Amino acid sequence: DAMVIQNPRYQVTQFGKPVTLSCSQTLNHNVMYWYQQKSSQAPKLLFHYYDKDFNNEADTPDNFQSRRPNTSFCFLDIRSPGLGDAAMYLCATSRTGTNQETQYFGPGTRLLVL
Amino acid sequence: EDQVTQSPEALRLQEGESSSLNCSYTVSGLRGLFWYRQDPGKGPEFLFTLYSAGEEKEKERLKATLTKKESFLHITAPKPEDSATYLCAVPAGGGNKLTFGTGTQLKVEL
Repeated sequence: DAMVIQNPRYQVTQFGKPVTLSCSQTLNHNVMYWYQQKSSQAPKLLFHYYDKDFNNEADTPDNFQSRRPNTSFCFLDIRSPGLGDAAMYLCATSRTGTNQETQYFGPGTRLLVL
Repeated sequence: EDQVTQSPEALRLQEGESSSLNCSYTVSGLRGLFWYRQDPGKGPEFLFTLYSAGEEKEKERLKATLTKKESFLHITAPKPEDSATYLCAVPAGGGNKLTFGTGTQLKVEL
């Protein structure tokens, strides 16, 4: 089945230690998104790639970076995680075109910062 | 500014007790309204996309409807496995960003 895959499902890191989360998709969608979701809150968009074009949200901290080496893969790098970065990180994909803006989410990576 | 408001924040139902969840939106030029289900510790699972007022979609015990100002998610004869948080979202501005509501946490008890 076509899907969005995130690894790892759980990640524990230390305060200030860089961490990378990965996302892959078999849907062949051209848009990929990274969201941050904290407990009992709505998902908050960090940035997205429209094909190879990177689009950063104005309020996304510089601590968060992203890479998309090809259509299928996208990475979220947190350069110096703080305690406030502990959250669920969600990857999503969509395909542009008329009535094709539905976003499909992966299972998420739960990040714990010690 | 695009806004999405969901009500109620939490809903507790008995098994078989039908009800509706509300999603009110303010957006210029609706390009779709999306419903998702989210289980604890998991990513949102896509349920429905609605594009125009009057449109309805169904899946098992769920039925989504859309007017010019709001959308309803009707749950008919719910079962405990329907317990989850239900999120609605609309595309914001002219781009791909989704504006989410804060969700309705549904609990269905035996």
